[in-house]
Amino acid sequence: EAQVTQNPRYLITVTGKKLTVTCSQNMNHEYMSWYRQDPGLGLRQIYYSMNVEVTDKGDVPEGYKVSRKEKRNFPLILESPSPNQTSLYFCATQRRSNSPLHFGNGTRLTVT
Amino acid sequence: EDQVTQSPEALRLQEGESSSLNCSYTVSGLRGLFWYRQDPGKGPEFLFTLYSAGEEKEKERLKATLTKKESFLHITAPKPEDSATYLCAVQEHSGAGSYQLTFGKGTKLSVIP
Repeated sequence: EAQVTQNPRYLITVTGKKLTVTCSQNMNHEYMSWYRQDPGLGLRQIYYSMNVEVTDKGDVPEGYKVSRKEKRNFPLILESPSPNQTSLYFCATQRRSNSPLHFGNGTRLTVT
Repeated sequence: EDQVTQSPEALRLQEGESSSLNCSYTVSGLRGLFWYRQDPGKGPEFLFTLYSAGEEKEKERLKATLTKKESFLHITAPKPEDSATYLCAVQEHSGAGSYQLTFGKGTKLSVIP
């Protein structure tokens, strides 16, 4: 079964404590991306990756890091989380740049 | 100014009452328009892609259409299980082989039995 798997599903942490949200896909898709979803603001792209070792900033990259060392994995790193990063995060994959996105089931992050 | 605007923000329908959701966009070079369905607590699920004005796609009770400025998602004789938030996303041409995908804020549809 084609899957995009994010972990954890829920995370509560404190300001400044580094965290990583993992994303893994089994569809051999070239493109992967991270989005955050906030009430009234919709889905906004944080970072995307076109292939292994190739990443680029999206609309709201500040405070986030990513890496793409393997095709199947695309972790999202928050080096020093702040309360304004409390949000619902989605990882997504695409076969090609104009293909539909396949989303994971999300990670709800709360930073206190 | 938002590049992708969805209306209405919320819509309540009686079961069987057909209606349409709107997605208007202002991007200069449309590469594709996507419709997604999102259930509470889940990631968006792909419904349709439209690439050029005049194109239509259908799936069960849903039909998506596209003009040069907007797209409609028509829902015919909806059922309670069609209740969800429907998202529209527009992809535009940008330089150097990269792409820009912009989501609307969504329309929350509730279908009452």
